[in-house]
Amino acid sequence: DTAVSQTPKYLVTQMGNDKSIKCEQNLGHDTMYWYKQDSKKFLKIMFSYNNKELIINETVPNRFSPKSPDKAHLNLHINSLELGDSAVYFCASSQEQGFPYEQYFGPGTRLTVT
Amino acid sequence: AQSVSQHNHHVILSEAASLELGCNYSYGGTVNLFWYVQYPGQHLQLLLKYFSGDPLVKGIKGFEAEFIKSKFSFNLRKPSVQWSDTAEYFCAVNSGSARQLTFGSGTQLTVLP
Repeated sequence: DTAVSQTPKYLVTQMGNDKSIKCEQNLGHDTMYWYKQDSKKFLKIMFSYNNKELIINETVPNRFSPKSPDKAHLNLHINSLELGDSAVYFCASSQEQGFPYEQYFGPGTRLTVT
Repeated sequence: AQSVSQHNHHVILSEAASLELGCNYSYGGTVNLFWYVQYPGQHLQLLLKYFSGDPLVKGIKGFEAEFIKSKFSFNLRKPSVQWSDTAEYFCAVNSGSARQLTFGSGTQLTVLP
């Protein structure tokens, strides 16, 4: 009964490939997020999305695109992977109504680009 | 744009020592403040949060934090740390109208047995 789950946990791939990371939440939340954690543990928001709007951090390359088939899922698709994309990617979710934006995080996906 | 500063990058303590981790933010309006902990190899877990009311908030595992509006600070404290508190600690903030969290750079806490 994991609240926020991500697959895969580890992803090793070569430069130039296209890959996706899946995220699912069973909390009934209406907003989901993707964060990137670099090798120095710095966490940076990439996207936030609910059924009303997608907010993109302006520093995120357009090779990254979130795709939401429904409220419970927000997948991250990455085109033409680069070495600098190696990081841990965390999905999170929150409920816009109620406690303001308390976010619940998934276990992370460690992406290694070779 | 809001920003969060955590000045202690790495703190090393012995068990039973007291802990205080600094967190300062730059935003003049209404803020929501959070401390998250990340144990080695694990995801972020919420330790405590402040939205309004009593500026001294208590969280899980004996942690507490005090919101001092005049100092734009939200420092994390624990009277007596344990070896199991070894982890990375992140302060985060969002403003009243924003969903996204802005995180500090994190503080690695190492507790020696």
